[in-house]
Amino acid sequence: SQQGEEDPQALSIQEGENATMNCSYKTSINNLQWYRQNSGRGLVHLILIRSNEREKHSGRLRVTLDTSKKSSSLLITASRAADTASYFCATDQNSGYALNFGKGTSLLVTP
Amino acid sequence: DGGITQSPKYLFRKEGQNVTLSCEQNLNHDAMYWYRQDPGQGLRLIYYSQIVNDFQKGDIAEGYSVSREKKESFPLTVTSAQKNPTAFYLCASSIRGRSSGQETQYFGPGTRLLVL
Repeated sequence: SQQGEEDPQALSIQEGENATMNCSYKTSINNLQWYRQNSGRGLVHLILIRSNEREKHSGRLRVTLDTSKKSSSLLITASRAADTASYFCATDQNSGYALNFGKGTSLLVTP
Repeated sequence: DGGITQSPKYLFRKEGQNVTLSCEQNLNHDAMYWYRQDPGQGLRLIYYSQIVNDFQKGDIAEGYSVSREKKESFPLTVTSAQKNPTAFYLCASSIRGRSSGQETQYFGPGTRLLVL
């Protein structure tokens, strides 16, 4: 069952602009992760934020988590053409050991 | 180089045929996972294994089977009972397979399965 839902489904921006993607989920979580997928490739882990954290940074990435609204956002600052990819949020399932992935946001960064 | 390898990159299946997708990791991870991804969709869990000789069904296990005889290997068989197998299959692993989504998953490059 997919718990996370990303918004928007697709986003097109120019190099240098910031990109913001959102993830909403339905039930309480312990952790939330963001992954990136280049076309036709496997996923790459970007960042993990715990339920007791509100914000986390990694390089040009900034992730926020609002557990009261059951939502998270991923901000990519000063985007580059190489950031073109699909971005997925993943949450822990209520039981079990696997992750629930959303459908992803497709980001296109044009020069 | 440490990582996860999947083979083949492309696989063609004929009607009524079983096919096996390979997944190997040299990260010394206990847990391994198989996901299916359809175009424009997220990942759906097929099977996962936390330890050798043990595995659990995911959300869409029907028509698939797995084995975990070695820590490094987690092959997925797509059986003839899977009526719509065309998809991108991704294998992943994590250190211990602990619950609560606290572990990073490391993904292979994927296998694209097509039906002839």
